[in-house]
Amino acid sequence: NAGVTQTPKFQVLKTGQSMTLQCAQDMNHEYMSWYRQDPGMGLRLIHYSVGAGITDQGEVPNGYNVSRSTTEDFPLRLLSAAPSQTSVYFCASSPGSNYGYTFGSGTRLTVV
Amino acid sequence: TQLLEQSPQFLSIQEGENLTVYCNSSSVFSSLQWYRQEPGEGPVLLVTVVTGGEVKKLKRLTFQFGDARKDSSLHITAAQPGDTGLYLCAGPHPMKTSYDKVIFGPGTSLSVIP
Repeated sequence: NAGVTQTPKFQVLKTGQSMTLQCAQDMNHEYMSWYRQDPGMGLRLIHYSVGAGITDQGEVPNGYNVSRSTTEDFPLRLLSAAPSQTSVYFCASSPGSNYGYTFGSGTRLTVV
Repeated sequence: TQLLEQSPQFLSIQEGENLTVYCNSSSVFSSLQWYRQEPGEGPVLLVTVVTGGEVKKLKRLTFQFGDARKDSSLHITAAQPGDTGLYLCAGPHPMKTSYDKVIFGPGTSLSVIP
């Protein structure tokens, strides 16, 4: 069982570039979420989905887009990268909000 | 202002000591989850507590959910270096319209010195 797979593990972008962070899970979980983690600020929710075709904004959605065309995949798109988006990004999945999340190993993104 | 507060922010103890870390809110949560995160890795779920007053044990770790479901504690007995990491509490947003959002506290960074 692979769990939650995130790619790439590391990425350096120039300001203004766009990119997609990939996330896939093989546990048939309905819930998937994207978080960013910055020193001293814990995990902040960017976007989340409660099933295929359904997405909603979290605490810090600006500058990011998501889509959920299948249960398995939940890509995160950075539209025009800014230095403030330098962070570690985690994708996670869960059967439901009371069940706890399984996390991927993260993508470390640097925007220069 | 964060919905979930954690204390202490940092904790450094000697191997063999006992410790307790706290997760607090002014809001009622339907459940709370505890995670441990090691450097360079994603958080790993330790436990979910659902019922007010509930106590769960995981080897040397004891988790308690407050009677009013506004707080939780994690007690570690005889800490070992392998317990070192960032301990995070999380739960579904307390507002019914935002229930599907799972939010996290800022974490307690624990260092156990051999």
